[in-house]
Amino acid sequence: ETGVTQSPTHLIKTRGQQVTLRCSSQSGHNTVSWYQQALGQGPQFIFQYYREEENGRGNFPPRFSGLQFPNYSSELNVNALELDDSALYLCASSLPGQGPDTQYFGPGTRLTVL
Amino acid sequence: QKEVEQDPGPLSVPEGAIVSLNCTYSNSAFQYFMWYRQYSRKGPELLMYTYSSGNKEDGRFTAQVDKSSKYISLFIRDSQPSDSATYLCAMSGASGGSYIPTFGRGTSLIVHP
Repeated sequence: ETGVTQSPTHLIKTRGQQVTLRCSSQSGHNTVSWYQQALGQGPQFIFQYYREEENGRGNFPPRFSGLQFPNYSSELNVNALELDDSALYLCASSLPGQGPDTQYFGPGTRLTVL
Repeated sequence: QKEVEQDPGPLSVPEGAIVSLNCTYSNSAFQYFMWYRQYSRKGPELLMYTYSSGNKEDGRFTAQVDKSSKYISLFIRDSQPSDSATYLCAMSGASGGSYIPTFGRGTSLIVHP
């Protein structure tokens, strides 16, 4: 098990609602990335935060937003939910400038939008 | 065309078989080549990675990178039922600050006793 935790495990929302997902990083990791993994697909990069600032963003609309806190925990917020937002949302914490073996994924939050 | 292509399978093999998993890519800037394993309802876990080209071996697993063909492979020897999972290839440019992998869609592997 990695030291990365996510909450909640599952949730169900309806179209148009807003949702907040949470991630607690591996101890000492000051970089967090969020990914969306649709069923049968690989994870797609949403954005990355380093020391509370957005440090890179994938091809996702502005209704996907995030926060990183001084204790390096983070949130992913999605407004105006659409059916296609149904997916597994993964966070991964890492150290900047290091290789892939310093990035650890959490177990994910499964979001269903009805 | 996607940057990283991976056959989704499923790939079903008997216990003890040698498994070959492959990905192709189009971005010449990729320098890190990774293989992740993802069990159902879990996050991906890194199996192994290679920087630039060449081979790397770790126990029953061997990763190969052929940059001239833009083709990477993962071989699993003496496969076990516990190897049944989805295997994701991923690639990234050289880390100079932010490490952001591009993933394939994953290959579902089933190893039956």
